[in-house]
Amino acid sequence: TQLLEQSPQFLSIQEGENLTVYCNSSSVFSSLQWYRQEPGEGPVLLVTVVTGGEVKKLKRLTFQFGDARKDSSLHITAAQPGDTGLYLCARGGGTSYGKLTFGQGTILTVHP
Amino acid sequence: NAGVTQTPKFQVLKTGQSMTLQCAQDMNHNSMYWYRQDPGMGLRLIYYSASEGTTDKGEVPNGYNVSRLNKREFSLRLESAAPSQTSVYFCASRAGSGNTIYFGEGSWLTVV
Repeated sequence: TQLLEQSPQFLSIQEGENLTVYCNSSSVFSSLQWYRQEPGEGPVLLVTVVTGGEVKKLKRLTFQFGDARKDSSLHITAAQPGDTGLYLCARGGGTSYGKLTFGQGTILTVHP
Repeated sequence: NAGVTQTPKFQVLKTGQSMTLQCAQDMNHNSMYWYRQDPGMGLRLIYYSASEGTTDKGEVPNGYNVSRLNKREFSLRLESAAPSQTSVYFCASRAGSGNTIYFGEGSWLTVV
């Protein structure tokens, strides 16, 4: 199993602060997905990155795929309490998009 | 639009009992998946079905069986439950092409 290491595992910040979550692997992966999961619900796909160096933005969230396709980051600008949740990165690709390997997750709490 | 529906949402079993988790999707998706989520370990793939009539093992299949009853339904069976199978189980589905996986809301299973 090719592991994905996420860091930090826990993040507790105040509203308005910026934060970055990291997802790293020793192996190259063809694509990487970021999910957000709220308590009592299933994960919801935020973004898929497939090209080395790719940057995607989703409102205040910026996702980056490393040039070597071994790492990715999620940056949130001016965090809000509504951003609270579990953030998961997952590796998969091609016909194996559903056969995902997940990182351990980052639990983000944004305090008002 | 219901998406992916799982039943039951909560279940407590005694060691050695059997039960079946039901999953149905109304999006006409070809592929369906069962994952389990444990604290600090992200989600891990148990079994998947790439299309109606086919099933394959994922990362952690031991102790489970699956049935792809038709295109809509994919069930997960625990024949003899063990405390190590205490977890949150998620069913997911994906269209034949595309990279978006849709998850159900989860089934909380406790084995005592």
